[in-house]
Amino acid sequence: GESVGLHLPTLSVQEGDNSIINCAYSNSASDYFIWYKQESGKGPQFIIDIRSNMDKRQGQRVTVLLNKTVKHLSLQIAATQPGDSAVYFCAENPLGTYKYIFGTGTRLKVLA
Amino acid sequence: DAGITQSPRHKVTETGTPVTLRCHQTENHRYMYWYRQDPGHGLRLIHYSYGVKDTDKGEVSDGYSVSRSKTEDFLLTLESATSSQTSVYFCAISDGRSPTEAFFGQGTRLTVV
Repeated sequence: GESVGLHLPTLSVQEGDNSIINCAYSNSASDYFIWYKQESGKGPQFIIDIRSNMDKRQGQRVTVLLNKTVKHLSLQIAATQPGDSAVYFCAENPLGTYKYIFGTGTRLKVLA
Repeated sequence: DAGITQSPRHKVTETGTPVTLRCHQTENHRYMYWYRQDPGHGLRLIHYSYGVKDTDKGEVSDGYSVSRSKTEDFLLTLESATSSQTSVYFCAISDGRSPTEAFFGQGTRLTVV
């Protein structure tokens, strides 16, 4: 697989702690907001999405929060595990399209 | 992984030569995408397709063309490769039923020297 040596902001978290990854978006007209996870050498994988008419959505060990007032999106990972180490991207899905516009990403490092 | 195959996986080419990258899917998904990934820029959309022979430009389409003559194949062509097109290229597919869940291929590392 392929990966890119990205010079990214890095969040280091102790194993078992909760992680919060933040993202600012730009397009107020986006319909959905999505989080993707990219492990080293692989393509991005879908984690969770949230529609623009929601504030919060929960998945398995993950929660996404949307604050439309300040155009902010966050991903919370509960009880972070070594397998959560990856680069995390937020993405927007502009209304009426099937395009995905990605942010620049955050690297999550889980410390044993 | 969803049934997406990118080829080649690695390529080194000279400036000014044409290059074609292939994305092949076995999922019969309607939507296909080409992204490039570069340090500091994340993933940027080059072109996408919403059906056979239906394509549209993304954020960084200059210097690239695409074709989709059948559902399963989406080709990305660099007509005359430049060093600025050195990147990792990802293909993605989506069925459109979920507007957000796209499946990505393993990527192609292209180096233009």
